[in-house]
Amino acid sequence: GQQLNQSPQSMFIQEGEDVSMNCTSSSIFNTWLWYKQDPGEGPVLLIALYKAGELTSNGRLTAQFGITRKDSFLNISASIPSDVGIYFCAGQPTTGNQFYFGTGTSLTVIP
Amino acid sequence: DVKVTQSSRYLVKRTGEKVFLECVQDMDHENMFWYRQDPGLGLRLIYFSYDVKMKEKGDIPEGYSVSREKKERFSLILESASTNQTSMYLCASNQMANQETQYFGPGTRLLVL
Repeated sequence: GQQLNQSPQSMFIQEGEDVSMNCTSSSIFNTWLWYKQDPGEGPVLLIALYKAGELTSNGRLTAQFGITRKDSFLNISASIPSDVGIYFCAGQPTTGNQFYFGTGTSLTVIP
Repeated sequence: DVKVTQSSRYLVKRTGEKVFLECVQDMDHENMFWYRQDPGLGLRLIYFSYDVKMKEKGDIPEGYSVSREKKERFSLILESASTNQTSMYLCASNQMANQETQYFGPGTRLLVL
């Protein structure tokens, strides 16, 4: 299957700080998604991106579809304790309908 | 409110046992998926189904089988559980017309002793 490398693997930040994470693939993707998984729950879709260069926001979250179509970025501004969880990127390559998931970034926010 | 439910949140089984993980969605979705989630590996697709009685292998189907007898239900079967199948199992579903939005269940944490 496709390899999606997500970094960093984990982050420990103070409440109020901004967060950045990214995801890279070995091949071109048509769609990039960002999910959040709260402790003990399944992932929930945060943002979907459909074309290169696209920048989309959802509240304090902003994600970008990289212009090479091989990467994507997620930023969280002014973090709060409820931002805690695991963030996953997912991408759909140019052929097939399957989505491939990244390895996840575990975020801990210290009050 | 969309809902994907999984039959158990936690399960403990012994090596060699046959294990059934059940998933039900109430959104009339055509597509259903089974993933396993392991630390450092993210979510990996085991099997998926686009229709009743239809199944397709994902990236890691070995040691698993699936059954989809009704549109709302997708079962994952471990014919003979092994310790390396200890993991979190996540079920998901989506519409054929809106495939980027997958709705996930809460997961089943399986421990094989």
